[in-house]
Amino acid sequence: ETGVTQSPTHLIKTRGQQVTLRCSSQSGHNTVSWYQQALGQGPQFIFQYYREEENGRGNFPPRFSGLQFPNYSSELNVNALELDDSALYLCASRSLGANYGYTFGSGTRLTVV
Amino acid sequence: KNEVEQSPQNLTAQEGEFITINCSYSVGISALHWLQQHPGGGIVSLFMLSSGKKKHGRLIATINIQEKHSSLHITASHPRDSAVYICAVRSLFNAGGTSYGKLTFGQGTILTVHP
Repeated sequence: ETGVTQSPTHLIKTRGQQVTLRCSSQSGHNTVSWYQQALGQGPQFIFQYYREEENGRGNFPPRFSGLQFPNYSSELNVNALELDDSALYLCASRSLGANYGYTFGSGTRLTVV
Repeated sequence: KNEVEQSPQNLTAQEGEFITINCSYSVGISALHWLQQHPGGGIVSLFMLSSGKKKHGRLIATINIQEKHSSLHITASHPRDSAVYICAVRSLFNAGGTSYGKLTFGQGTILTVHP
């Protein structure tokens, strides 16, 4: 299987709730990174996972957390949702250790009401 | 000032025109990416550059490492080229004794090509 798949594509949550977004990496890719893209803005780096360990994090609070599984799929969890968390969440995978580019998913559009 | 700046923010062209989108960055990088994002949100990687120039079909990307500047050119533009074009730089960071790479994105250039 090729490509990066994200689910769900759209999601509506209430302020204070928790959400889990999922990402299946491209076959052979062992690194996944997550990005938040607010409307009209470029994506912002949330964090990156390599071999199930977080190895880089952007300027996001601890209520943004993640997991990477042995099959290199990944989850982004956000607790205590705030209205400003409404955004497109993108994941991208790549193979670390080689000069390979990133493969992006189509994103999950999260709306917090 | 953002670490990655793109210009223009909005660009309107007539079909057939030659288009240039510029990207300037202020950090040390290991690679620069040009990405295309359509209204649905999905991002497609167009180019990854660390030096020189790359060409794919009607798209050409160049980078000048000394000047910290890159350009994306579209020749003979077509309405199907209408999209958001994003420049992203990959930099290396050290955290807890481990280095990792992360992407920093420009704000994007909204391109509309009219027939």
